[in-house]
Amino acid sequence: SQKIEQNSEALNIQEGKTATLTCNYTNYSPAYLQWYRQDPGRGPVFLLLIRENEKEKRKERLKVTFDTTLKQSLFHITASQPADSATYLCALDDSNYQLIWGAGTKLIIKP
Amino acid sequence: NAGVTQTPKFQVLKTGQSMTLQCAQDMNHEYMSWYRQDPGMGLRLIHYSVGAGITDQGEVPNGYNVSRSTTEDFPLRLLSAAPSQTSVYFCASRQGSSGANVLTFGAGSRLTVL
Repeated sequence: SQKIEQNSEALNIQEGKTATLTCNYTNYSPAYLQWYRQDPGRGPVFLLLIRENEKEKRKERLKVTFDTTLKQSLFHITASQPADSATYLCALDDSNYQLIWGAGTKLIIKP
Repeated sequence: NAGVTQTPKFQVLKTGQSMTLQCAQDMNHEYMSWYRQDPGMGLRLIHYSVGAGITDQGEVPNGYNVSRSTTEDFPLRLLSAAPSQTSVYFCASRQGSSGANVLTFGAGSRLTVL
């Protein structure tokens, strides 16, 4: 069956450092991969989308990579700030155009 | 723009009661969906709609009904609430059905079934 894995343990990063989050998938060949941010008590908010034929996508301090051979996406936040603390979700489209979601990784940026 | 509006934000039900979670969007999106979010699990799709009058089941549809009479509204009905339906529910919409379209989420509805 299709499976998406994100690190279930919280990631603690010192302010100013680069945070790297991982999204691995199996039994899957998605055309698109999306990353969302979710704050406590709120709905997820879209951050970045990357296509299968793109290696990398950037938006301000955010960078996403997509390796279809490794079946892995990495999400980077450079010059991290306490305001970046949140849970980050990855999602991939399945053959029925629905999104399959990872459980998310909680990121904590310490001042 | 209000985006996606969900009501109520919190609800407590007794086992066997029924209720409707409301969802409305003002972005003229064709696609609307309902997810549930449980601790340690990814968002799971309950039902979705690709346009007015069209609905389909997602991964976990049992115990839930939906309808789509207008483009704007997509209510989720719990027919006979069970403790297993205790969860946070999110309504989300996007322009089209393609995976290239991104979702806009509501703020969520936290449901507790006793």
